Amino acid sequence: NAGVTQTPKFQVLKTGQSMTLQCAQDMNHNSMYWYRQDPGMGLRLIYYSASEGTTDKGEVPNGYNVSRLNKREFSLRLESAAPSQTSVYFCASSGGSSLNEQFFGPGTRLTVL
Amino acid sequence: GENVEQHPSTLSVQEGDSAVIKCTYSDSASNYFPWYKQELGKRPQLIIDIRSNVGEKKDQRIAVTLNKTAKHFSLHITETQPEDSAVYFCACSSGGSYIPTFGRGTSLIVHP
Repeated sequence: NAGVTQTPKFQVLKTGQSMTLQCAQDMNHNSMYWYRQDPGMGLRLIYYSASEGTTDKGEVPNGYNVSRLNKREFSLRLESAAPSQTSVYFCASSGGSSLNEQFFGPGTRLTVL
Repeated sequence: GENVEQHPSTLSVQEGDSAVIKCTYSDSASNYFPWYKQELGKRPQLIIDIRSNVGEKKDQRIAVTLNKTAKHFSLHITETQPEDSAVYFCACSSGGSYIPTFGRGTSLIVHP
């Protein structure tokens, strides 16, 4: 099992550009999440999807959109990137027998100039 | 919503010493309390968790204690080793939501 995978690993954007971060899991989990990690701020939830076909805002959703494409895939889109969105982005999933445990992807380091 | 406070933000110890990280939470409905370890440049990974019907749980050199009355829980690492150096995050979630709220993290540095 690959677990949770994310692409790309690194990305540099100019202000105003758009991009989509991709996430996929092969653990048959119902729930998927997008977090951003900034120094000293911990992991802050951007959006989550409790099950296929549903998405909900988290703590810091402004400037982002998400799509739960199917049970495996959950993408995060930045329509018009801003320097404040420079961060490390983690996708995670949970469900099945492990219930609450979050399984994280390797992260995407995004820099917006 | 839930608010999780984690202290200290940085903890420096000598190899072999014990380390304790504390978290407090605000929502009395919280019933699941995991701890994640994140090594430099890596993803967070679960190291231990506790549920509200248990006061303490141990796994080799790590343990977690929970005081539901006072709404705080702690991570204890004994006989620390350099490979314990990492950022540790506490979190909590309640009921059927499974959506955790994370603390801001503690950077643990173990000096050889």
